[in-house]
Amino acid sequence: DAGVTQSPTHLIKTRGQQVTLRCSPKSGHDTVSWYQQALGQGPQFIFQYYEEEERQRGNFPDRFSGHQFPNYSSELNVNALLLGDSALYLCASSRRQYEQYFGPGTRLTVT
Amino acid sequence: AQTVTQSQPEMSVQEAETVTLSCTYDTSESNYYLFWYKQPPSRQMILVIRQEAYKQQNATENRFSVNFQKAAKSFSLKISDSQLGDTAMYFCAFMSPSYDKVIFGPGTSLSVIP
Repeated sequence: DAGVTQSPTHLIKTRGQQVTLRCSPKSGHDTVSWYQQALGQGPQFIFQYYEEEERQRGNFPDRFSGHQFPNYSSELNVNALLLGDSALYLCASSRRQYEQYFGPGTRLTVT
Repeated sequence: AQTVTQSQPEMSVQEAETVTLSCTYDTSESNYYLFWYKQPPSRQMILVIRQEAYKQQNATENRFSVNFQKAAKSFSLKISDSQLGDTAMYFCAFMSPSYDKVIFGPGTSLSVIP
């Protein structure tokens, strides 16, 4: 049973560019959440997708957007990248209200 | 708004000894879930243990156990017979069933010394 997968593993972008990160949930899971983890800190909730709609959103600007596909996979898009967007981006999947399982993350570096 | 606090940024323990990591949280809800996640240098976030607030019995998973004090809003993790592979960041986390998002504490860096 494959767990949560994320791509790419690492990414380097320049300020002002746009980036798309991808996540495939664990088999049987229908909910995907995205988190941003700055170096040395705990993950911060960005948003959650269920049934292809954004169900909840954390305190992140509109530059952060997402999408969920019919197969439950998800994308996180960040526009107009800032240096402060450099972080580990974690995807977590769950089945409704049960515990979330995390992927290995995508390390984004903005230069 | 819910918050999670971990007052120990770093801890160390000798191999085979026992260590306790502290966590406190703040919420006005009566039903919720609490978790401990482990994040080793490989950065994969791994669920260690889960506790439902309506259960009075403390959760246990092999060498890992919790001390859940609902009135005090305290949720500590005890690791027995510490192993070198336990070296990692440990995050305490809170989830309200009505919100589903997980709120993490700042983490405790645990080093197991041979």
